[in-house]
Amino acid sequence: EVQLVESGERLVQPGGSLRLSCAASGFTFTRFSFNWVRQAPGKGLEWLSYIGEGGSSNIQYADSVKGRFTISRDNARNSVYLQMNSLRAEDTAIYYCVRDFNWVFDYWGQGILVTVSS
Amino acid sequence: QSALTQPRSVSESPGQSVTISCTGTSSDVGSYNYVSWYQQHPGKAPKLMIYDVTERPSGVPDRFSASKSGNTASLTISGLQAEDEADYYCCSYAGRYSWVFGGGTKLTVL
Repeated sequence: EVQLVESGERLVQPGGSLRLSCAASGFTFTRFSFNWVRQAPGKGLEWLSYIGEGGSSNIQYADSVKGRFTISRDNARNSVYLQMNSLRAEDTAIYYCVRDFNWVFDYWGQGILVTVSS
Repeated sequence: QSALTQPRSVSESPGQSVTISCTGTSSDVGSYNYVSWYQQHPGKAPKLMIYDVTERPSGVPDRFSASKSGNTASLTISGLQAEDEADYYCCSYAGRYSWVFGGGTKLTVL
């Protein structure tokens, strides 16, 4: 069974940093790309970042997080990460780790609510 | 990276059909056959319903169908059931390993 489980700190002050982790299981991790997608409270989905099977050679960010967020992966740990710096109140959202198969977001994690507040 | 345009809400009676539109640009929907649709029930993660414009994953009822013409994609749900009431999001590949979502449509089954 495919599983994606997000974890990390859930509350951070404005200007602070946070790293989200996504532990994957139930499939061959190295064959897939991954994305992070977020959803602010009561709002729609927003694509944030992509990392290909090859890792750092294929990475992309949405303009809204470029320069502040960094995506990475550890194939030995079957994990994907999202390092988030210079956090703002508007970054408060549920963050989803999403598996990508041929440009299709086929499996989603359950999501983790990150709150940026003093 | 502007969001794709979807109607904010649609409603229809059980057993009827409803179509949700998703309008993008020649840089996303119009350029790629990588349009997908996601269903999201309250408090749940999104679920893939349609991919590659028209394809249904295993387990998705054939009441769900989709198409694309130019810069606009559409999702049609026929034989509406109470369980179809949810938020629906379209998504398109936009090139250079980036994607764009629609703003979401709340479907109410009357």
